[in-house]
Amino acid sequence: DTAVSQTPKYLVTQMGNDKSIKCEQNLGHDTMYWYKQDSKKFLKIMFSYNNKELIINETVPNRFSPKSPDKAHLNLHINSLELGDSAVYFCASSQESMYRSYTFGSGTRLTVV
Amino acid sequence: AQTVTQSQPEMSVQEAETVTLSCTYDTSESNYYLFWYKQPPSRQMILVIRQEAYKQQNATENRFSVNFQKAAKSFSLKISDSQLGDTAMYFCAFYSGGSNYKLTFGKGTLLTVNP
Repeated sequence: DTAVSQTPKYLVTQMGNDKSIKCEQNLGHDTMYWYKQDSKKFLKIMFSYNNKELIINETVPNRFSPKSPDKAHLNLHINSLELGDSAVYFCASSQESMYRSYTFGSGTRLTVV
Repeated sequence: AQTVTQSQPEMSVQEAETVTLSCTYDTSESNYYLFWYKQPPSRQMILVIRQEAYKQQNATENRFSVNFQKAAKSFSLKISDSQLGDTAMYFCAFYSGGSNYKLTFGKGTLLTVNP
């Protein structure tokens, strides 16, 4: 029943490792996003995909690579993790309409040690 | 670029009282949408209320209402009859439509409801 699901919910890893976060939505939305929430709770968009096409790439290091195999999935792969990558990562989806109503996943707390 | 400003990093209110959270934004767009999101300690982002800029009537959802002043670019959230479960971070967010798909968030206001 979960509309936007992310896995894993928690991820602890060492510096230099490569990790992935998966996101799936069952709402039939055509646009999916990754947002990063830093330690001060500030939320900022990282990527946006519309119908599997990259729409937004907001000055994110190229160690971060999103992949959208289909409209319902948007995964985030991070290479060579750094301490500063520690944050909560939110996946979200929305549907083009008269207004935008985003649905967020429950977030993935990434801790790099 | 659009910016969203929440000038109150923290607020507190007694249970059953009313509290207003402030939000201002800057844009040159004429058609846009504004949102308030709530993030409780569970960290889930929950949509509280939304307002279309072309609508003059202020949005209302149960105990939550907004005061939308388009000329002043102000979008405040009023919570009536505050409940303990309202304790959370509240984020104001802006979306301008078109090919710009992103939500721009303010830095948030931490609201604590005291018993």
